[in-house]
Amino acid sequence: TQTVSQSDAHVTVFEGDSVELRCNYSYGGSIYLSWYIQHHGRGLQFLLKYYSGNPVVQGVNGFEAEFSKSDSSFHLRKASVHWSDSAVYFCAVISNYQLIWGSGTKLIIKP
Amino acid sequence: NAGVIQTPRHKVTGKGQEATLWCEPISGHSAVFWYRQTIVQGLEFLTYFRNQAPIDDSGMPKERFSAQMPNQSHSTLKIQSTQPQDSAVYLCASSFRLGTSAETLYFGSGTRLTVL
Repeated sequence: TQTVSQSDAHVTVFEGDSVELRCNYSYGGSIYLSWYIQHHGRGLQFLLKYYSGNPVVQGVNGFEAEFSKSDSSFHLRKASVHWSDSAVYFCAVISNYQLIWGSGTKLIIKP
Repeated sequence: NAGVIQTPRHKVTGKGQEATLWCEPISGHSAVFWYRQTIVQGLEFLTYFRNQAPIDDSGMPKERFSAQMPNQSHSTLKIQSTQPQDSAVYLCASSFRLGTSAETLYFGSGTRLTVL
């Protein structure tokens, strides 16, 4: 059974700080990993994905994520957050057509 | 490209009434998904269509929920005899295709269903 774990329900940082949102997965086969962002009252929007190649993938708005097979992780990072980054972030594993979603991490940006 | 369009944005029904939710996927996308989102359960997969054919409805509560995709341009999710526990945000998503290529999903803004 594939699982996705986002251990932090909330992360609070100041505007301009760096941030890392954690995602760990369990799956034995070839997988795709993605991050999506959901602003309040909106649907989810794609940020980035990884399947193979360079373990560091770049996404929109300065986000990047690093895949680690040894740690079974796909953590999302941003060097300097903006207030508009306040949202809920979802990590997902794609297995065949099914997306297995994490529970989400709410990123709170303090001014 | 208007993105995935979901209507209505908000729907309030009385217990026992029927609710029909609409989704218009992005033109040219062959895969359509329905999800339900609540604070407690998070994102729950409901059903998946590919080229209008139902592929997997394993997430659908069998007795009162049904989904259809009569043509390429829209899908409907119908809930009969709505119950308060059906209150949630229902999200529709589409992708160009989904399989080994792991296409990106494009989500609509959702329909917030409130059952009184």
